[in-house]
Amino acid sequence: KNQVEQSPQSLIILEGKNCTLQCNYTVSPFSNLRWYKQDTGRGPVSLTIMTFSENTKSNGRYTATLDADTKQSSLHITASQLSDSASYICVVSARGNNRLAFGKGNQVVVIP
Amino acid sequence: GAGVSQSPSNKVTEKGKDVELRCDPISGHTALYWYRQSLGQGLEFLIYFQGNSAPDKSGLPSDRFSAERTGGSVSTLTIQRTQQEDSAVYLCASSSERGLVIGGGYEQYFGPGTRLTVT
Repeated sequence: KNQVEQSPQSLIILEGKNCTLQCNYTVSPFSNLRWYKQDTGRGPVSLTIMTFSENTKSNGRYTATLDADTKQSSLHITASQLSDSASYICVVSARGNNRLAFGKGNQVVVIP
Repeated sequence: GAGVSQSPSNKVTEKGKDVELRCDPISGHTALYWYRQSLGQGLEFLIYFQGNSAPDKSGLPSDRFSAERTGGSVSTLTIQRTQQEDSAVYLCASSSERGLVIGGGYEQYFGPGTRLTVT
């Protein structure tokens, strides 16, 4: 079973609207959680990184939340733009291990 | 500065042929990672190089896969006798000890990937 599960698998939203992507993980012991944005044909680019003690972090119109107790994270996109169309990947790192556990991604399509 | 680069960007090969994929990490980055991204799947760890240490090959799916990192910089991922299930995007990432993430681990910077299609 994948240690990082993301939902919804895909999402279509109208330009200007908000959306929230979910990530649940089982990685333990937890070190940090990262959200990456991957445009089609490109490598993933880091959006946010959160550790155990952080429960929210913003990067422009992207706001990530983390609940380390329930092992859940969300990525909220505010006032979506066409350029937000991409796959958003939740990545969790275990303490003492440089390996990363990747979710399958949330595919977001923003339409005008 | 320049990011991680990979070549070729696309590779189409016939089943049974060998392929070599190249990764140029960010200058000065001591760690280099190879991942495979199949359609609809999350990134799958393949191999990890850190400085002069022995590489972590635990993610390589079969003995047809191998990787080298020469001079602590450029890396080549080789797939021998390619199979159709090898078709995927192969991503390379590098990281630096200066990119330590609070809590552990290092910030990884990804290349654009090589899309491999085995026909």
